[in-house]
Amino acid sequence: EIVLTQSPGTLSLSPGEGATLSCWASQSVSSSDLAWYQQKPGQAPRLLIYGASGRAAGTPDRFSGSGSGTEFTLTISRLEPEDFAVYYCHHYGSSPFTFGGGTKVEIK
Amino acid sequence: QLQLQESGPRQVRPSETLSLTCSVSGDSISSSPYYWGWVRQSPGKGLEWIGSIFYSGSTSYNPSLKSRVSMSVDTSKNQFSLKLTSVTAADTAVYYCARGLVGLDYWGQGTLVSVSS
Repeated sequence: EIVLTQSPGTLSLSPGEGATLSCWASQSVSSSDLAWYQQKPGQAPRLLIYGASGRAAGTPDRFSGSGSGTEFTLTISRLEPEDFAVYYCHHYGSSPFTFGGGTKVEIK
Repeated sequence: QLQLQESGPRQVRPSETLSLTCSVSGDSISSSPYYWGWVRQSPGKGLEWIGSIFYSGSTSYNPSLKSRVSMSVDTSKNQFSLKLTSVTAADTAVYYCARGLVGLDYWGQGTLVSVSS
């Protein structure tokens, strides 16, 4: 089983600032098999990024994904008020699929 | 627009079986190459993959739950289902159904299932 570790656990930032979220895999993951989700309180997760760097439909271009192997990054270039949420990385390449523990981006 | 909706009992007694159904509208559950999955989230916690199923019936389960989980598809009703046996309080969670291919692109709203007597 591939274990995904996200850091930091919480990121305190102000609107307009940039955010960098990390996701480390316990073993190499194909870039085509890594996704990022955003989840707001009381809502289902929303797919933001697939294939490590592909934006899902409706994802603003201030969100970008990168990485390969065991290290992946989600970058938010300038935080908008609606971006404060919890973000999860997700590996879907081989069973069992797994999620990272999440990074909460909160307003400073 | 694809929509998914979970349904089933909101409360289950310990040691009994949790049963949920996901109704899919806006597309056929037989659409290839998608798979259909279940994810859960315990209160205040992160996301946990439960398993997935193709319309053909092929399944893949989380090893930590494999002995208690089963999934099925009913193409005639455009639904897929989850059964989790011998539940305990640790199975209390919001259960989501979702469609997958490259990540999970459509999700149900989720349903909170509480395990208590």
